[in-house]
Amino acid sequence: NAGVTQTPKFQVLKTGQSMTLQCAQDMNHEYMSWYRQDPGMGLRLIHYSVGAGITDQGEVPNGYNVSRSTTEDFPLRLLSAAPSQTSVYFCASSYLSGRVYEQYFGPGTRLTVT
Amino acid sequence: ELKVEQNPLFLSMQEGKNYTIYCNYSTTSDRLYWYRQDPGKSLESLFVLLSNGAVKQEGRLMASLDTKARLSTLHITAAVHDLSATYFCAVNRGSRLTFGEGTQLTVNP
Repeated sequence: NAGVTQTPKFQVLKTGQSMTLQCAQDMNHEYMSWYRQDPGMGLRLIHYSVGAGITDQGEVPNGYNVSRSTTEDFPLRLLSAAPSQTSVYFCASSYLSGRVYEQYFGPGTRLTVT
Repeated sequence: ELKVEQNPLFLSMQEGKNYTIYCNYSTTSDRLYWYRQDPGKSLESLFVLLSNGAVKQEGRLMASLDTKARLSTLHITAAVHDLSATYFCAVNRGSRLTFGEGTQLTVNP
């Protein structure tokens, strides 16, 4: 299994540009999430999905869209990039094992918006 | 709104010393996670604590959970340089996690 993969690893955008961060998992996990990590703020939830076709907003959804057309893929779209979206983005997938949500994190995408 | 707070945020300690990182959370939860992150890397799962009084140990790290106090601790025993990293606690809401700010630990020789 490749686990959770994210592309690209690094990206530089100009203000106003749009792009899609890709996330894929090959473990057939039901749940997937996007987090952003900023210094001193831990990881904050952007959007999440509890299954194909079902998505919902997290703590900081503004400026981002998601879709989940398949179990495997959960892309994150930046509609019009802003410098405030400079961050490291982590995708995670998980499944429920007993009472524990076993979480698997991707390697991250480092995004800079100039 | 669920809030998770860690302290200290920065910790510099000498090898061989003991220390504790604290994680407070604002609403009832019986599932708490600890993660480690090395610079430029993703998150590595350390512990999942499931119930009041739960204690787990791995090497020089021991985590505990007090659900009544809404407090988890990560205790470091006889620190070594390899433990230098950022440590996060996180609380479950369904499949989603709410993270603390992270504690950046530096262990000096």
